[in-house]
This record gives sequence, C-alpha cells and structure tokens, in this order.
Amino acid sequence: GENVEQHPSTLSVQEGDSAVIKCTYSDSASNYFPWYKQELGKGPQLIIDIRSNVGEKKDQRIAVTLNKTAKHFSLHITETQPEDSAVYFCAASTGSARQLTFGSGTQLTVLP
Amino acid sequence: DSGVTQTPKHLITATGQRVTLRCSPRSGDLSVYWYQQSLDQGLQFLIQYYNGEERAKGNILERFSAQQFPDLHSELNLSSLELGDSALYFCASSTQTGATSGNTIYFGEGSWLTVV
Repeated sequence: GENVEQHPSTLSVQEGDSAVIKCTYSDSASNYFPWYKQELGKGPQLIIDIRSNVGEKKDQRIAVTLNKTAKHFSLHITETQPEDSAVYFCAASTGSARQLTFGSGTQLTVLP
Repeated sequence: DSGVTQTPKHLITATGQRVTLRCSPRSGDLSVYWYQQSLDQGLQFLIQYYNGEERAKGNILERFSAQQFPDLHSELNLSSLELGDSALYFCASSTQTGATSGNTIYFGEGSWLTVV
C-alpha cells in the first residue's frame, strides 16, 4: 500500500520567516495530495491541495509544489504568523477507493 | 466548524468494555470515514461508508465495526477494549466517495477515548 513520509517532525521558525515541510510518497498511482492543519483540540482542516497534473499551487501565503518524478511534494508557508502554529499533515490519495494515507505530521511553532 | 458532529467528545471506559461513537456528517454529504489518531500510529484510516454501504476498509480491527444509517449518520462500535485502543477517533465526511480534487474530506473534532 501507499506509504507517506513527512519531514521534519518539528519545526520552529521566527515570525515572518518561511516554513517548508516535505513529504514523499511511494505509490506512483497516487494523484491527489492534500495538506491538513490540526490545531490543538480540533480536527484536521484542509488548507490546500494539489492534483498530480499540476506542479504548483498557491493560495495567499501558502503554496504547495509537487514533483511526480521524484514522488515528493512540499508545503511552503511564507511570512509566518503565530496563528500558523499547529500540526500539519500531508496526505496522498490512492487505491481504487481513493483513500487518504497521511504522513506522520509536523509540529510547527512560530515564535513571536 | 467543519459541520461534522461527533459525540461524545470524551469517554473513559474500562478494559473489556464496549463503546459506541456517533457521527453526523455535513449536510448533504453521503460519505463517512472513520480515522484513528494515536501518538505512535498517527492518523490511520479505519473504514468508509457511502450512502449506507461499506466502501473501503483500512486498518480496522475485528473488534471494531461501523455502520451508516439511512439518515446518513454513522456509528463506530469498539468492543473488548484494550489499553492500546486509547486514541482520538475522527469521523470525516465528503459529498462523493474518495479523496479527489473537488471532493474535500472534512473532519469532525474527534472523540477522545481513554481505556483504563
């Protein structure tokens, strides 16, 4: 089955700096890659996603890049703010039922 | 607020017991998914229902079962509970089946299960 690896597991940045989280996947049939943000005591919330036929997608301060050949995708957050502090999960959709396989999560801390 | 409602929010029970977690999907969503989140296993897909029928199974133990009712709400039944079953259980929903562009999967806030 699909295996998604995510790095780093923890990331601390100064407010205003950029943050990058990287994921790799194993199943070349995966074709949809969402990113979720989970705040303390809440469920994961979709923040951005990308399809396999797109190399990059941007939404304000958040961007995602996908390299299908290398089977990796990354989340980029620019001009980080304290409210960006949360756990971020990458995921890949695969299989006939298009189920999500999640990475292990990255705890992002933005220091004021 | 994602629109996915889960009850109870917290539950403490003893080993060997049985519990039922309930989920109401977002209005109009036909698919319901159950995930388990634990510290050592991360977010693991358990099972999915679409319009009342089981659509996909993940790493769900035989002691666990689920169903989706005609009104589309879903229940996850956990029996013969063990200490290792302590986790956060999420329900999620989407309009169609499967995670694809245009079919966002929305998560509830989870049910914290502690087995003592």
